[in-house]
Amino acid sequence: ELKVEQNPLFLSMQEGKNYTIYCNYSTTSDRLYWYRQDPGKSLESLFVLLSNGAVKQEGRLMASLDTKARLSTLHITAAVHDLSATYFCAVDPSGNFGNEKLTFGTGTRLTIIP
Amino acid sequence: DGGITQSPKYLFRKEGQNVTLSCEQNLNHDAMYWYRQDPGQGLRLIYYSQIVNDFQKGDIAEGYSVSREKKESFPLTVTSAQKNPTAFYLCASSIRLGGNTEAFFGQGTRLTVV
Repeated sequence: ELKVEQNPLFLSMQEGKNYTIYCNYSTTSDRLYWYRQDPGKSLESLFVLLSNGAVKQEGRLMASLDTKARLSTLHITAAVHDLSATYFCAVDPSGNFGNEKLTFGTGTRLTIIP
Repeated sequence: DGGITQSPKYLFRKEGQNVTLSCEQNLNHDAMYWYRQDPGQGLRLIYYSQIVNDFQKGDIAEGYSVSREKKESFPLTVTSAQKNPTAFYLCASSIRLGGNTEAFFGQGTRLTVV
């Protein structure tokens, strides 16, 4: 059974600081997704990582994927209040494109403190 | 505008009743999914469908049913057999284009048993 673990589950950080969220998964997969969820809202796609060593950046967020270690990281640089949200990683182990049977991590609730 | 529409946004159900949650997409995506989210937790897959007239159980299908009579529509029925249906339900769809693929989510339906 595929397990996807994120840590930390909760993170409070001051504005301007850097931090990293970790996503470990238990089975082979070369596709990993990061999503953002605001309270009471749906999920917003942030990054799609499709190969070992993939790195993508958008603004203050940067995601990377190490398929050999079964690890993805989401790095936050110089955090701002607008980044407060819950961040989920998700893994699709099927290997079948068009069949994204995603398994989600438990999420990391990020709170940026002024 | 293309997207995924879930309705209603809020739904109240009496114990013992069946209710149906609507999910419609005009993205021409083949695959559609239903996820359940409980407070402070990640998403769990209920059912998914890769093609019209075909669907598979996810990790927590008991007490739920679906149909896929049209490509655009994937309604979820929460039956009286689901003993703890109060949750946030998210519908998603996905397609592969070239080497990239990702799932897009609707805005969610919050179901409460009264």
